[in-house]
Amino acid sequence: KAGVTQTPRYLIKTRGQQVTLSCSPISGHRSVSWYQQTPGQGLQFLFEYFSETQRNKGNFPGRFSGRQFSNSRSEMNVSTLELGDSALYLCASSSAGIGTGELFFGEGSRLTVL
Amino acid sequence: AQSVTQLGSHVSVSEGALVLLRCNYSSSVPPYLFWYVQYPNQGLQLLLKYTTGATLVKGINGFEAEFKKSETSFHLTKPSAHMSDAAEYFCAVTTNTGNQFYFGTGTSLTVIP
Repeated sequence: KAGVTQTPRYLIKTRGQQVTLSCSPISGHRSVSWYQQTPGQGLQFLFEYFSETQRNKGNFPGRFSGRQFSNSRSEMNVSTLELGDSALYLCASSSAGIGTGELFFGEGSRLTVL
Repeated sequence: AQSVTQLGSHVSVSEGALVLLRCNYSSSVPPYLFWYVQYPNQGLQLLLKYTTGATLVKGINGFEAEFKKSETSFHLTKPSAHMSDAAEYFCAVTTNTGNQFYFGTGTSLTVIP
C-alpha cells in the first residue's frame, strides 16, 4: 500500500510570493490534515479536510488555505509569504479523521522563504 | 482547552539503559493520547495510542506508555535503548470530538554507545 506522498519536497520562495503544496493520501483515506513544523513553535495543526470539506481548523491566518479534491488529494496554499512561514509542512492521512489519532504522515515539504 | 507538555527537550541514555520520556496533558474532557516518532528528514510515525480501556499501552519497537489520570501523565518507556531509537518523540492529544490535534514540543532522544 503506497504511503502519503507530498510534493514538492523542497522549495524556495521569496517574500510576497505564494506557494501551493500537494498531498496524496493513502488510498481509501478520506481525511487529510496539515501541520506546520518549526524549531520555535513545534508542530502546529493547520486544518483538516474530510470528503472535500474543511472539517477542522487551527489558529492560522487566512493566508493559509487548503482544499481537497474528489480523489482525496489535498492542496495547501500560502499567499503573501512571510519569512516566518519558513517551515516543514507535513500532511497526514487517516481513514476516520484526526479524532482517532491514527495519522499517517508524509515526509513533508520544506519551504524556505527568503 | 487542551495542551501537552513534554519535560526535557533533550534526553540522552546509554545503549541498553531504560528510556523514559515524559508527557503531561491538560484536558477538560477525557483525552485521547498518542506518541509519535520522527526520524531525521522523515514524517511522523505512530508509536502507540490510548483512547479507552487498558491504561498500559504497548506500541511498536518495544515502547509502552501508561495513562495515569490522577497525574495527568502519559510517559513513554522502553526497557532497553537501541541505537536505532535515536529520534525525535512527540506526545499528542485530542478528544473524541476530534476537532483539534495538539502536539508537544518534542523530545530529542540520543542513544550513547
